[in-house]
This record gives sequence, C-alpha cells and structure tokens, in this order.
Amino acid sequence: GENVEQHPSTLSVQEGDSAVIKCTYSDSASNYFPWYKQELGKRPQLIIDIRSNVGEKKDQRIAVTLNKTAKHFSLHITETQPEDSAVYFCAASLPTDSWGKLQFGAGTQVVVTP
Amino acid sequence: AAGVIQSPRHLIKEKRETATLKCYPIPRHDTVYWYQQGPGQDPQFLISFYEKMQSDKGSIPDRFSAQQFSDYHSELNMSSLELGDSALYFCASSGRQVVGTEAFFGQGTRLTVV
Repeated sequence: GENVEQHPSTLSVQEGDSAVIKCTYSDSASNYFPWYKQELGKRPQLIIDIRSNVGEKKDQRIAVTLNKTAKHFSLHITETQPEDSAVYFCAASLPTDSWGKLQFGAGTQVVVTP
Repeated sequence: AAGVIQSPRHLIKEKRETATLKCYPIPRHDTVYWYQQGPGQDPQFLISFYEKMQSDKGSIPDRFSAQQFSDYHSELNMSSLELGDSALYFCASSGRQVVGTEAFFGQGTRLTVV
C-alpha cells in the first residue's frame, strides 16, 4: 500500500516568515494529494489539494508543489501568522480509491511565534 | 453550509462494553469514511461506504463493524472495547457523482475507554 513520509515533525517560525513542509510518497500511481490543518482536538480541515496533472497550485498565502518524478510534494506558507499554528498533515490517495481514502503523513507541528 | 455531523461528541465507556458512533454526511454526499486518530498520531483509515455498500477496508479491528443506511448516514459499532480504543473517531464524506471529490471531516467523537 501507499506510504507517506512527512518532514519536519516540528517547525518553529517567526511571524512573517515562510514555512515549508515536505512529503514523499511511495506509490507512483497516487494521483491526489491534499493538505489538512488540524488544531488541537478539532477536525482536520482541507486547506489545499493538488492532483497529479498539475505541478503547482496557489491559494493566497498557501501553495503546494508536486514533483511526480521524485514522488514528493510540498506545502509552502508565506507571511505566517500566529493563527497558522497547528498540526499540518499531508496525504495521498490512489486512483483506485475514492478521494477520501487517504494515507496520511505523520504530521508537522507548526508554531508561529509573534 | 451543512457539514458532516457526528454524534455523540464525547463518549466514556468501560472495558468490554460496546459503543455506537453515528455519522451524518453532507447532503448529496454518497461516500462515508471512518478514521481513528490516537493521541499525537495521524488519522488512520478504518472503512468506507459508497452507496450503502462497503467500498474499502483499512485497519479496522474485527471487533468493529460499520454500515451505511438508506439515508446515507453511517454507524460504527465497536464491541469488547479495550483501553487502546481510546481515540478521536472522525467520519468524513465526499460526493463522487455530484458535488466534487474532496473529503470533508466531521468534528469527531472522542471515545475514552476506562
């Protein structure tokens, strides 16, 4: 099955700086890569996703890049704010699976200090 | 906008008891997924249903079962509860045919087994 690795496990940034989280996946057939933000005790919330026919996608301060050859994808958050502090999960899904059957990475705890 | 509704939000059970968790998907969503998230862990896929039929199975213990009903709500039944079953249980839903592909998570049920 699919295996997703995520780095770093923790990330501390100063407010206004950029944050980058990287993930790699094992199954080259995976074609859907969402990113979820989860605050303590709350639900994972989809913040951005990318499909394998696209190399980059941006939504305001958040961008995701995908390198299919290297089987890795990254989340970029610019101009970080304290409310960006949370755990971020990357995930991958195979085309034979429904989009909600996700293999998650282990998560990155992001702390934005004012 | 309507979201995925889970009940109860919190549940305390003793070892060897049974528990039933309920999930009401977003209207017009036809696929439901169940995830288990232990403390400090990433969500682990348990099982999914599409159009009331089991569509996929993950790391769901034999002590657990689930089903999707004619109104598309789903129930996760957990028997012979163990201390290790204490976790957040999330339900997610997506619409394959009508409203898009991404999965949206409910607020979760926090199960504590004592």
